[in-house]
Amino acid sequence: DVKVTQSSRYLVKRTGEKVFLECVQDMDHENMFWYRQDPGLGLRLIYFSYDVKMKEKGDIPEGYSVSREKKERFSLILESASTNQTSMYLCASSQTGPGETQYFGPGTRLLVL
Amino acid sequence: DAKTTQPPSMDCAEGRAANLPCNHSTISGNEYVYWYRQIHSQGPQYIIHGLKNNETNEMASLIITEDRKSSTLILPHATLRDTAVYYCIVYNYGQNFVFGPGTRLSVLP
Repeated sequence: DVKVTQSSRYLVKRTGEKVFLECVQDMDHENMFWYRQDPGLGLRLIYFSYDVKMKEKGDIPEGYSVSREKKERFSLILESASTNQTSMYLCASSQTGPGETQYFGPGTRLLVL
Repeated sequence: DAKTTQPPSMDCAEGRAANLPCNHSTISGNEYVYWYRQIHSQGPQYIIHGLKNNETNEMASLIITEDRKSSTLILPHATLRDTAVYYCIVYNYGQNFVFGPGTRLSVLP
């Protein structure tokens, strides 16, 4: 079974703190994604990566950065957390190819005070 | 914007089949239909996907109309644990997944 794990299920941070969200997948997938999910807005793509050290902006990259130093690990960084970044963060991975399926982690619920 | 339209909510009696519809009238020939579900406070779970033919796996069946403008996800014997939000997504390689609001399925005892 594909397994995507995220470093924390719940996280509480203060405004201005630097926040790292880690995601690891064990299926040797090339592609990895970070989404945030907010009530009424669905899932929105923040960043994605198709290869090591490669990153692409999604629909809402402002206030975020990412790092992919190893194939299995994709990190989302909030350089200076703000209250409007309180959200559920979801990581996903997929294999490259037509009809590729994205597999999601359990999510990290981040609260910024 | 999502390329699909789903009813916002549905109820289903436990043990009965749950049939969840999805309209995707603008789907193009090389786009797949995917279904995911999300149980409260968890990440989305992949269910099934198809291109033209009907598909079945251990979780569900996917029926795609001949013109591919709509599809139905069938959970043959719904249980209380199937209560979730179900997302229908049209997707092709090179695009990004776009999750719409989905259908909130409530399985009732």
